[in-house]
Amino acid sequence: KNEVEQSPQNLTAQEGEFITINCSYSVGISALHWLQQHPGGGIVSLFMLSSGKKKHGRLIATINIQEKHSSLHITASHPRDSAVYICAVSRANYGQNFVFGPGTRLSVLP
Amino acid sequence: EAQVTQNPRYLITVTGKKLTVTCSQNMNHEYMSWYRQDPGLGLRQIYYSMNVEVTDKGDVPEGYKVSRKEKRNFPLILESPSPNQTSLYFCASSLSGFGYTFGSGTRLTVV
Repeated sequence: KNEVEQSPQNLTAQEGEFITINCSYSVGISALHWLQQHPGGGIVSLFMLSSGKKKHGRLIATINIQEKHSSLHITASHPRDSAVYICAVSRANYGQNFVFGPGTRLSVLP
Repeated sequence: EAQVTQNPRYLITVTGKKLTVTCSQNMNHEYMSWYRQDPGLGLRQIYYSMNVEVTDKGDVPEGYKVSRKEKRNFPLILESPSPNQTSLYFCASSLSGFGYTFGSGTRLTVV
């Protein structure tokens, strides 16, 4: 079993839809990160969470430490949101040692 | 402009020929790390550094070396590259782990 899992693996949405991507993990963590990888390959860090909820523009990320689960929501999705979204956790007591989920490929159609 | 600069962007080399991929950041970040990305395996951490002269192994350190002699630079060294090190490599840096800035990537092919 992978230490970090994501669902769905692939997601196609129509422009304007509300999108949810899920991440579950099985190890103790010090923080959870959401990354966005553009079709060209570049990676952008979206959020770092250790508890609760964060919002940036149309993106919202939540984490439930007890359930070892995080969600990334995109409101009013747009074709420019098309990318691979990757969940990553830093293992507790291992500094900045990261393990990554497999990614969720999102396509938003106009 | 705040950035992480990796060089080269593309490299084709032969088995056994030592190479270095450079990584430099201009944001005075303490944390730096290297990752490789492979189809079907995703991103995996090779090495990370939380300060000058402090480096730690990630999940896939075999066949790689790093050094952190100064804060801004974190080169990745392949002493004897092999075809299984063909991959897309990313360097990243962070101020205290609150969010990482990634380099543009280096696509390495070892033949």
